[in-house]
Amino acid sequence: DGGITQSPKYLFRKEGQNVTLSCEQNLNHDAMYWYRQDPGQGLRLIYYSQIVNDFQKGDIAEGYSVSREKKESFPLTVTSAQKNPTAFYLCASAPRSASAGEQYFGPGTRLTVT
Amino acid sequence: SQKIEQNSEALNIQEGKTATLTCNYTNYSPAYLQWYRQDPGRGPVFLLLIRENEKEKRKERLKVTFDTTLKQSLFHITASQPADSATYLCAPAGGRGSQGNLIFGKGTKLSVKP
Repeated sequence: DGGITQSPKYLFRKEGQNVTLSCEQNLNHDAMYWYRQDPGQGLRLIYYSQIVNDFQKGDIAEGYSVSREKKESFPLTVTSAQKNPTAFYLCASAPRSASAGEQYFGPGTRLTVT
Repeated sequence: SQKIEQNSEALNIQEGKTATLTCNYTNYSPAYLQWYRQDPGRGPVFLLLIRENEKEKRKERLKVTFDTTLKQSLFHITASQPADSATYLCAPAGGRGSQGNLIFGKGTKLSVKP
């Protein structure tokens, strides 16, 4: 059963704590992405990776970090430096970046920081 | 900076009618444009892609147009059904100077009443 998975679906953290969101894909896609979605806002790109062991900052990378040690995995860490971390986080993958291919999205993780 | 505008935040129509959603972009010349559907609390799902050299694309009850002169894409759902109720996102990408990443609009929430 191919696809892209994110866990957990809901995550609650206290302010000041780092938290890592999981994203796994078994589609053999080269490119992976992390987006943030806030009410009334479009999806905003946090980080993306075109190949293993390489990643680039998106439009709102401050306060976030990523790693891409394996092709199928692209975890996102929300650090305590992120001023407004409460949001809906979406991971996506694509066969390769900078192409016209569609992106496949995971189900999302809703993070609440209090 | 690049700007994507979707005509309205919400669109309410009667079942059986044609829904028309608008996506306008400025300061940008995308090579292609994608449309996605997003249901509440879930990740977006790809619907259609149209390239700059294509005027129109169809898929079942869906039709997309792309006018590079007007810098606009129209998304039509004919014979709409209550099951079509969702938020629809447009996402231009590609083009000169672009890294190929999608830029998402805020979306239009479509409600189809029986």
